[in-house]
Amino acid sequence: EVQLVQSGAEVKKPGESLKISCKGSGYSFTNYWVAWVRQMPGKGLEWMGIIYPDDSETTYSPSFQGQVTISADKSISTAYLQWHSLKASDTAMYYCARPYSGSWSDPLDIWGQGTMVTVSS
Amino acid sequence: DIQLTQSPSFLSASVGDRVTITCRASQGISRYLAWYQQKPGKAPNLLIYGASTLQSGVPSRFSGSGSGTEFTLTISSLQPEDFATYYCQHLDTYPPFTFGPGTKVDIK
Repeated sequence: EVQLVQSGAEVKKPGESLKISCKGSGYSFTNYWVAWVRQMPGKGLEWMGIIYPDDSETTYSPSFQGQVTISADKSISTAYLQWHSLKASDTAMYYCARPYSGSWSDPLDIWGQGTMVTVSS
Repeated sequence: DIQLTQSPSFLSASVGDRVTITCRASQGISRYLAWYQQKPGKAPNLLIYGASTLQSGVPSRFSGSGSGTEFTLTISSLQPEDFATYYCQHLDTYPPFTFGPGTKVDIK
């Protein structure tokens, strides 16, 4: 079964760092892009960025450039989303998702279950 | 960057109703548009891509149309399991592949 499994919910304080993960299985992880999508409480979906695990080529939405870091470790089929200094406004559900074939512009047909990040003092 | 708008943002409908949601792009995107359904507490689910191609396993009561800047998602006969929020997403060549703001379909 093709799936993306994300790490568990996190509760952090403002200013702390965080790295959440997304592990792919059931397919060749290096041959598919992995996108990250944010959903703030009660709000819509926001496309954050995308990474190609084979060579770690990464593109960010201008809204998220410099705010987060997307990375991948192809040896363990895992993509990451990282913050160096969290803000309360980073409180959201974060999804990883995979396009249905090898292009970054393909629709996202495989989604992780989401990781809830709560930032509060 | 390409911006998407959706209308309406909220609609109230009954089981059996025909429902149409519109998505408009700020510039022409050919047919590079997808539709997703999201239920509370769940990840989004791909319904339609290429503006009108039904994803495998999606019921045929869902259909999509349009090209360029205007697109529609139609549910021919609303079922109880269709009450959810629907998002469009552009997939035209270069990122960011933005989503529309969503349309919540609620029970009348």
